[in-house]
Amino acid sequence: GQQLNQSPQSMFIQEGEDVSMNCTSSSIFNTWLWYKQDPGEGPVLLIALYKAGELTSNGRLTAQFGITRKDSFLNISASIPSDVGIYFCAGPGTSYGKLTFGQGTILTVHP
Amino acid sequence: EAQVTQNPRYLITVTGKKLTVTCSQNMNHEYMSWYRQDPGLGLRQIYYSMNVEVTDKGDVPEGYKVSRKEKRNFPLILESPSPNQTSLYFCASSYGSWGSGELFFGEGSRLTVL
Repeated sequence: GQQLNQSPQSMFIQEGEDVSMNCTSSSIFNTWLWYKQDPGEGPVLLIALYKAGELTSNGRLTAQFGITRKDSFLNISASIPSDVGIYFCAGPGTSYGKLTFGQGTILTVHP
Repeated sequence: EAQVTQNPRYLITVTGKKLTVTCSQNMNHEYMSWYRQDPGLGLRQIYYSMNVEVTDKGDVPEGYKVSRKEKRNFPLILESPSPNQTSLYFCASSYGSWGSGELFFGEGSRLTVL
């Protein structure tokens, strides 16, 4: 199936720092999604990207759809303790209806 | 309140004892899907359903069955569970196909198979 590689696998940062993570695909995507999973809960959609080069913000979060259509980036500015969780990228699978997720980036924010 | 409800939330069972994890959504969504989450592997799709009576395999369907007899329900069936099916399971739904971008997830069902 589709392969999505996220990096880094985990991050330990101080409150107030900016965060960057990325996701690469083995094939071209026409949609990139970013989800966040709070501890003990299901993932929640943060940002959806539908066009190569697109840059979309949601509060302190900014995501970009890479020009090559094989990568995407998520940035969090001025991190706060509630940013803690697992961040997943996702994109279409090999057939309609399939959605593939990356391995996730575990974010820990120290107060 | 719009939600996806899974039951049970926690279950410990033994190898070979059939079990069903129920999933119900109250948003009239056509699309529903099951995922399993394992450390280091992210979320992997087990099965999905585009509408009533339409189901398809995801990336890891072996050992699982599903049915979609009603729009709101999408149970996951483990006919003969094995220890490698110990995992955290999530049901999700969306309007149309996932392509709307907004998949709504349940709170998860943690299954342990001894």
